[in-house]
Amino acid sequence: GAVVSQHPSWVICKSGTSVKIECRSLDFQATTMFWYRQFPKQSLMLMATSNEGSKATYEQGVEKDKFLINHASLTLSTLTVTSAHPEDSSFYICSAPPRGAGSYNEQFFGPGTRLTVL
Amino acid sequence: GQQVMQIPQYQHVQEGEDFTTYCNSSTTLSNIQWYKQRPGGHPVFLIQLVKSGEVKKQKRLTFQFGEAKKNSSLHITATQTTDVGTYFCAGEGGKLIFGQGTELSVKP
Repeated sequence: GAVVSQHPSWVICKSGTSVKIECRSLDFQATTMFWYRQFPKQSLMLMATSNEGSKATYEQGVEKDKFLINHASLTLSTLTVTSAHPEDSSFYICSAPPRGAGSYNEQFFGPGTRLTVL
Repeated sequence: GQQVMQIPQYQHVQEGEDFTTYCNSSTTLSNIQWYKQRPGGHPVFLIQLVKSGEVKKQKRLTFQFGEAKKNSSLHITATQTTDVGTYFCAGEGGKLIFGQGTELSVKP
């Protein structure tokens, strides 16, 4: 199956700093990528839809100025958590369907990034 | 907004017993997908159901999509320790909304 990578796999940062997480589709192109957040023992919550070449679409309640998304190419989307606080500590996962498939088809998930804000 | 409810939240079974998790949506879905997430891992796609009343099987796993396309179930026959993990349904109704997941533990 298709491979999606994420970097870093884990990060610890101080409160107030910014953290960038990369999501790459390694063997296919993705015009759309999705960013999720998962707290321990909870479900995946969709944060935003990343669209190549255009602005991301954010879910209700997600601050677009705090979670900056950039989808600069067909294989790379980045999520930057700005001015991180301890409550931002979570497991961030990206997913991507093959190009043109939107969210209607199988999602290939990255391995996730565990963020801990001290 | 659209909600996808999944029950039970936890299920502990003895190896060899059957297991079922149920998924219900507040709205009609275009399709429903099922994922498995092992502890510490990421969700892995299992299957997608599209048609009303559809039933699909993968070895010991049976997936059903309701006639009204608002509910679904995953049934595992004769569980094994390798089945351990959290099973999520995800409903597609314009975007993918995940249920809360059912965490399955299997006692050898």
